[in-house]
Amino acid sequence: NAGVTQTPKFRVLKTGQSMTLLCAQDMNHEYMYWYRQDPGMGLRLIHYSVGEGTTAKGEVPDGYNVSRLKKQNFLLGLESAAPSQTSVYFCASSGGRLNTEAFFGQGTRLTVV
Amino acid sequence: GENVEQHPSTLSVQEGDSAVIKCTYSDSASNYFPWYKQELGKGPQLIIDIRSNVGEKKDQRIAVTLNKTAKHFSLHITETQPEDSAVYFCAASTALDNLFFGTGTRLTVIP
Repeated sequence: NAGVTQTPKFRVLKTGQSMTLLCAQDMNHEYMYWYRQDPGMGLRLIHYSVGEGTTAKGEVPDGYNVSRLKKQNFLLGLESAAPSQTSVYFCASSGGRLNTEAFFGQGTRLTVV
Repeated sequence: GENVEQHPSTLSVQEGDSAVIKCTYSDSASNYFPWYKQELGKGPQLIIDIRSNVGEKKDQRIAVTLNKTAKHFSLHITETQPEDSAVYFCAASTALDNLFFGTGTRLTVIP
């Protein structure tokens, strides 16, 4: 049982480049989330989805886009990367709203130079 | 939105001693308070959670207490072991679609 899998694990981008982070879950969860983790700031919600075909903004959505075309996948896109987007990105999923257990992926470390 | 504060940011204890991490929250509507453990290079993993209708919950060496009046909750780890060394995050949720995290506590258990 893989749980939540993120691809890639590491990436270095130049300012202005674009990329997509992929999150896949095999637990048939309805809810999926993208967080960023920065030193001294905990985890902050970027975007989330409450089901296939739906997306919504979190606390820090600017500069990111997401898509949930399939229930098991949640994609996070950076159209024009900026150094301020250097961070560790975590995907999570849960069977209901966030007052049930959320399962996290192993993270993607992104550096924008 | 919700504001969760967590203290201390770092904590060192001798193996076998207890460790306590405290969090406060601002939104009185928050009703779910999970604690996550994050080991190096891994994603956070839920270790215990508590809901607003409960004052205390225990799971072996781990316990969480909640004081809704004062808006604070705490994680207690007894008989600490080296494998307890990690970063611990508290969080709060209002049953909407966000989970607000504290800034984390790096716990080091010294053998």
